[in-house]
Amino acid sequence: QITLKESGPTLVKPTQTLTLTCTFSGFSLSTSGVGVGWIRQPPGKALEWLALIYWDDDKRYSPSLKSRLTITKDTSKNQVVLTMTNMDPVDTATYYCAHDFWSHPFDYWGQGTLVTVSS
Amino acid sequence: DIVMTQTPLSLSVTPGQPASISCKSSQSLLHSDGKTYLYWYLQKPGQPPQLLIYEVSNRFSGVPDRFSGSGSGTDFTLKISRVEAEDVGVYYCMQSIQLPSLTFGGGTKVEIK
Repeated sequence: QITLKESGPTLVKPTQTLTLTCTFSGFSLSTSGVGVGWIRQPPGKALEWLALIYWDDDKRYSPSLKSRLTITKDTSKNQVVLTMTNMDPVDTATYYCAHDFWSHPFDYWGQGTLVTVSS
Repeated sequence: DIVMTQTPLSLSVTPGQPASISCKSSQSLLHSDGKTYLYWYLQKPGQPPQLLIYEVSNRFSGVPDRFSGSGSGTDFTLKISRVEAEDVGVYYCMQSIQLPSLTFGGGTKVEIK
């Protein structure tokens, strides 16, 4: 059974760096074809993909946010960490992590964590 | 970036009646490997999205057969043959042909009359 759970601060101040952790179970990020992605959703708005990391440590970022994002993995801890620098109120959103596998992108999702950016 | 445009924005359907959602991409989603990288997700109220359809027309595990996907190139459709109360939520299409520019559509809200 694949499960994912996001954790991190619920409130950050403008200009601060956000660090989110995705802790997962039921799969290994050392298995060929497996990845973990981050997707966010501002309140009442559509989904926006942020970043992906694969079993071979290949990393992909949304071009519009690439300069602000870093994604890493700790296979031994079954965790993926996303950092986003220079946070702004427009970054207020629910942040989801999701399992990715070959032809089944984002087939399993965490429940999401709401991050509010406010001074 | 590939832009994904969904219509309609919202849909009100009588239970048991069919529903159809359109998704158009600004570029072809047909890859040279022969696959078309178009997916459909449903986000039920208060829940994370769930994968319904992958590569245009393949139902993900556990997805009822009243859901079907079709289309090619830049035009795609998700159909629900007989809408049930549990189908309410926002439906999103997504393309992944142009990683790292993976994009979602704006969503179509389906509600029950």
